[in-house]
Amino acid sequence: DARVTQTPRHKVTEMGQEVTMRCQPILGHNTVFWYRQTMMQGLELLAYFRNRAPLDDSGMPKDRFSAEMPDATLATLKIQPSEPRDSAVYFCASGQLNTGELFFGEGSRLTVL
Amino acid sequence: KQEVTQIPAALSVPEGENLVLNCSFTDSAIYNLQWFRQDPGKGLTSLLLIQSSQREQTSGRLNASLDKSSGRSTLYIAASQPGDSATYLCAVRPPGTSYGKLTFGQGTILTVHP
Repeated sequence: DARVTQTPRHKVTEMGQEVTMRCQPILGHNTVFWYRQTMMQGLELLAYFRNRAPLDDSGMPKDRFSAEMPDATLATLKIQPSEPRDSAVYFCASGQLNTGELFFGEGSRLTVL
Repeated sequence: KQEVTQIPAALSVPEGENLVLNCSFTDSAIYNLQWFRQDPGKGLTSLLLIQSSQREQTSGRLNASLDKSSGRSTLYIAASQPGDSATYLCAVRPPGTSYGKLTFGQGTILTVHP
């Protein structure tokens, strides 16, 4: 059963620490997305990749966030330094260009104290 | 800027009822619309995907319709069950190269009680 896998599922850290979240997209999917979900803002797109190339990261605070795809099986989202306002659930999603359907992982719940 | 609104924000129904969830969007220039289900503490599960050229899609007890010109979509759930309790989100995808830049509604929290 193909699915998007995210690690860690939960992370509690202190302000100022570096946080790295990882995502393994579904094999064969050529697009990968990072979304953030909060009660106040709902789901927001942070960044997305097509064939591993970053296409849009305009939703991401670039002074502290970075997103990469070192290979087709791994996408990373890094926050350095983390702040309490970064507390949220971060979702990775993957899909294929031709269908336009997205499949989401279970999310990484981040709490920054 | 595209805005997506879902009504109602919350809905509580007894088991067995047929129900309708509404989604409206301000910009009719969309590529497709996708309905998701989210269980507490979980990710989003894709339910139905409607391309802009389609009017409806069906999967089991679910039926989603799309009226692009009026900027509306509905998700119809037949014979609701307690297991249908979840948050239902709709999202629209713009055309062109902005693939993946889905705009989500805030969701409808559905509770089906026995």
